Amino acid sequence: GDSVTQMEGPVTLSEEAFLTINCTYTATGYPSLFWYVQYPGEGLQLLLKATKADDKGSNKGFEATYRKETTSFHLEKGSVQVSDSAVYFCALSQVEYGNKLVFGAGTILRVKS
Amino acid sequence: DVKVTQSSRYLVKRTGEKVFLECVQDMDHENMFWYRQDPGLGLRLIYFSYDVKMKEKGDIPEGYSVSREKKERFSLILESASTNQTSMYLCASSPLGTGMAEAFFGQGTRLTVV
Repeated sequence: GDSVTQMEGPVTLSEEAFLTINCTYTATGYPSLFWYVQYPGEGLQLLLKATKADDKGSNKGFEATYRKETTSFHLEKGSVQVSDSAVYFCALSQVEYGNKLVFGAGTILRVKS
Repeated sequence: DVKVTQSSRYLVKRTGEKVFLECVQDMDHENMFWYRQDPGLGLRLIYFSYDVKMKEKGDIPEGYSVSREKKERFSLILESASTNQTSMYLCASSPLGTGMAEAFFGQGTRLTVV
């Protein structure tokens, strides 16, 4: 079945450092790809998404590019802030399966001032 | 403001109790989902529903059942709670029929079974 693999955390960075969280996927069709974020004590929020190859999703300074050739959707941010500390989930969905989301294990990001 | 609302943020139940987790969405979405979230395992799908009175098993349905009598409400039922069902439970909804659809999540219910 479809699956998503994320880099293990926690990832600890200093403020203003560059962030990359790796995500690769396995899917039978052409999925849509998502990054969700979960701030402490809250539910998940959609951070960004991409629906086809070479699409770039971006939001709040984060971006990720849908790379079909490497089946990847790595999350990047040029300069992280303490307020970015959260758990980040990579996910995919396919129309054929009712938009059921398949999640990666999540990566904890800790940003120190 | 669109919303998915879960009835409780925190619950403590005893082993063997029947537990109901309620979820309501106000977006007229066809799809609704129940996930459980555990550290290192991410989110795992328990059950989902495409329409009223319809349900499909997800990846880990054992020990759970669901009910969807109205479009806006999706209930998760633990028939006889056990300690290994201590977890964070997340409800979500999404519209049917497009790969662009984003799922909207509730704030989660942290269930402790003692």
